[in-house]
Amino acid sequence: DQQVKQNSPSLSVQEGRISILNCDYTNSMFDYFLWYKKYPAEGPTFLISISSIKDKNEDGRFTVFLNKSAKHLSLHIVPSQPGDSAVYFCALYFGNEKLTFGTGTRLTIIP
Amino acid sequence: AAGVIQSPRHLIKEKRETATLKCYPIPRHDTVYWYQQGPGQDPQFLISFYEKMQSDKGSIPDRFSAQQFSDYHSELNMSSLELGDSALYFCASSPGPNEKLFFGSGTQLSVL
Repeated sequence: DQQVKQNSPSLSVQEGRISILNCDYTNSMFDYFLWYKKYPAEGPTFLISISSIKDKNEDGRFTVFLNKSAKHLSLHIVPSQPGDSAVYFCALYFGNEKLTFGTGTRLTIIP
Repeated sequence: AAGVIQSPRHLIKEKRETATLKCYPIPRHDTVYWYQQGPGQDPQFLISFYEKMQSDKGSIPDRFSAQQFSDYHSELNMSSLELGDSALYFCASSPGPNEKLFFGSGTQLSVL
């Protein structure tokens, strides 16, 4: 039973445009949300996070939005750059329990 | 800045053999996590340690065991290897529970 889903396995975006990655979860008890970026043969790298008391967090080109009522999390990257091409995972915490990863979205930025 | 170090980067074993993966966390991080990522899959949590004690357990087979040592490094021991154990094994550390994780580059295990 997948508690955290990223329904788009892949996404292609033109360089300079906005990339929007989505993540849906089922357990309303998740309270800390993170996005990780992963290149092939490397470990995931932390990008940005948001706690359940906020609905938006911004860091440079990256913005994370949280809609708790819809149990939906999204990552916006603007403007998209070729170096953003990677697999993106959302990851969620429930209290002090283990970090649960989503299924991943492969983002390709087209020059 | 120091990162999480995993060794070896690549490991090839045959069925029924044993493998040991090592993880050295970022200094002053007392929490270590192990994840397994199969081809095309999301990382699956195996086990975690906090202050050298097992803190949580996920989908880790009984054939696997792990521990965290006094210097906070961790080892994942895998016995009676099966073809399905072929995967990328990540270690991550954090300064404490419920903090963001910092991942190592992973160990690619291939079981032939």
